Amino acid sequence: QSALTQPASVSGSPGQSITISCSGTSSDIGAYNYVSWYQQHPGKAPKLMIYEVTNRPSGISNRFSGSKSGNTASLTISGLQTEDEADYYCSSYASSTTVVFGTGTKVTVL
Amino acid sequence: QVQLQESGPGLVTPSETLSLICTVSGFSISSGNYWGWIRQPPGKGLEWIGYIYHSGRNYSNPSLKSRLTISVDTSKNQFSLKLSSVTAADTAVYYCARDGGGFSYGNWGQGTLVTVSS
Repeated sequence: QSALTQPASVSGSPGQSITISCSGTSSDIGAYNYVSWYQQHPGKAPKLMIYEVTNRPSGISNRFSGSKSGNTASLTISGLQTEDEADYYCSSYASSTTVVFGTGTKVTVL
Repeated sequence: QVQLQESGPGLVTPSETLSLICTVSGFSISSGNYWGWIRQPPGKGLEWIGYIYHSGRNYSNPSLKSRLTISVDTSKNQFSLKLSSVTAADTAVYYCARDGGGFSYGNWGQGTLVTVSS
């Protein structure tokens, strides 16, 4: 069970849009619509931002959106704000009833 | 509002067993959902450990399965983790969380740092 692959870092200026990719395989992302995205600020627990590829939990800004194509999922943050600076992790349900997380992406707001 | 709180020793001796309990409030474990454990070594990414249903049915990360026991006590509204034969590589912040559906964790504990050292 290998971790999903994410870019180590992504940056953007306030107001811009950025996209974080999450690459998996046909046994995880490609096989199921159970991709989630989490935001984690330093010293804090992760916070669910997207579940089941495209759904936002109650209270999550619509600036955050998710998508999937084949074995790759993506998180887009539009109208980037300073408070969006954090680490972001994707996760996916995988075969054998397991869950796998991504390697994590540090988002920097320039 | 669902709240989760991890508890257990912050220091474990190498080769011993790491034991943690997650106490849930605001929601009855018996009502359903999967309840999970996730860990994060200092400065590193998240690693899924495993999850358990109120019935006791549980699933584990294959890389930890041989050392891992996850159990549930519905009478105390708690679930627990035991990881045997620990090494320094098991040093991490351990989180418990609720899977609210779709294998996504919408509620998390604050996390507890467990250091493996002699």
